[in-house]
Amino acid sequence: DAGVTQSPTHLIKTRGQHVTLRCSPISGHKSVSWYQQVLGQGPQFIFQYYEKEERGRGNFPDRFSARQFPNYSSELNVNALLLGDSALYLCASRWGTSAPGYTFGSGTRLTVV
Amino acid sequence: AQTVTQSQPEMSVQEAETVTLSCTYDTSESDYYLFWYKQPPSRQMILVIRQEAYKQQNATENRFSVNFQKAAKSFSLKISDSQLGDAAMYFCAYSPDNYGQNFVFGPGTRLSVLP
Repeated sequence: DAGVTQSPTHLIKTRGQHVTLRCSPISGHKSVSWYQQVLGQGPQFIFQYYEKEERGRGNFPDRFSARQFPNYSSELNVNALLLGDSALYLCASRWGTSAPGYTFGSGTRLTVV
Repeated sequence: AQTVTQSQPEMSVQEAETVTLSCTYDTSESDYYLFWYKQPPSRQMILVIRQEAYKQQNATENRFSVNFQKAAKSFSLKISDSQLGDAAMYFCAYSPDNYGQNFVFGPGTRLSVLP
């Protein structure tokens, strides 16, 4: 079975640009969460979606947005990129309310120059 | 707000020896879950072990075990018979429920395993 897949694996953007990161959860998983991991730090929670509805939001500016599609895949969008947005963006999925925990993807490495 | 602290930025252990990674957390909740995740160079976060706060018995998974001290808000990870493949970043994480709706991660401990 395929795990959580994220695309692209690496990305370089210029300050002020917009970026879209994509995540495909494990088949049958309905919940997706996004985390930002700055180099040398632990991941920080950005969003959680379940059944296409936002269920949680971390302390991130409105430049960050996300959505979940009917097939449960998800996109994370970041507008007006700043140098400080350079990080590894991790997506995690789980089946539902009785799942033992999240399964993480390998992330998208975003570099803003 | 909940916080998770890992006071050891780096640790090293000889192959086949035992090492303990420390984690403390702060919460006002009585029911919660604690996790240890491993992040190798492949970047994927891999669940190592999970502990429910309402369970007094410490969790074990093969060579991995925890020492959970609820009153002290301490959650250390012991790795026995360390193997080269154990080398990675280890993150302690707190969640208000088993479903990990919102993990709070610590800053991580980089573990090196020496042959």
